Amino acid sequence: DSGVTQTPKHLITATGQRVTLRCSPRSGDLSVYWYQQSLDQGLQFLIQYYNGEERAKGNILERFSAQQFPDLHSELNLSSLELGDSALYFCASSVAALAGGGNEQFFGPGTRLTVL
Amino acid sequence: QQPVQSPQAVILREGEDAVINCSSSKALYSVHWYRQKHGEAPVFLMILLKGGEQKGHDKISASFNEKKQQSSLYLTASQLSYSGTYFCGTERSGGTSYGKLTFGQGTILTVHP
Repeated sequence: DSGVTQTPKHLITATGQRVTLRCSPRSGDLSVYWYQQSLDQGLQFLIQYYNGEERAKGNILERFSAQQFPDLHSELNLSSLELGDSALYFCASSVAALAGGGNEQFFGPGTRLTVL
Repeated sequence: QQPVQSPQAVILREGEDAVINCSSSKALYSVHWYRQKHGEAPVFLMILLKGGEQKGHDKISASFNEKKQQSSLYLTASQLSYSGTYFCGTERSGGTSYGKLTFGQGTILTVHP
């Protein structure tokens, strides 16, 4: 158990819908990262938040957005869902200093999203 | 750009050794190694930083050749529990690159009794 929690574990929805995935980082971790894992694209970085502010963006679609709240939990919002959005979505956290790298990222159990 | 892992798959018997390689075309700040079992989260194994610092498990070893931007993960005396998919994640230097891991395609390791 990494200490990172994600809810829900599974989500089944229809095309065109909107869903929200939730992540709580490990106690003391200020950085939250979102990743998408699919069979064809592999494990891909989406976005990073540090202490409430967006820090880095990766291959995140415009239909997707995220935020980190004052209590450091984070939510990933996916809208206008398409079949191709079906994937495992992981959240990871680290004790990341604002101006440095090389920090271990610990992954949560993931949310499996199925779009029908 | 995605790092390249080799081999794509390895089959071992318990007690045998394996090496998994990760190669990048970009200058790296660090290389992170994870193991993932089917349907589960990636589990952190080790991080190797530019300059030689390492953080991770005592029983797993790895190397990072900064000149070649290559890393290798060494699995010795393999156990059944080592089975899974191994990923390297590369981190580049500077600004918004910190923390942004780019993962390889994975190496599937299977250990048989």
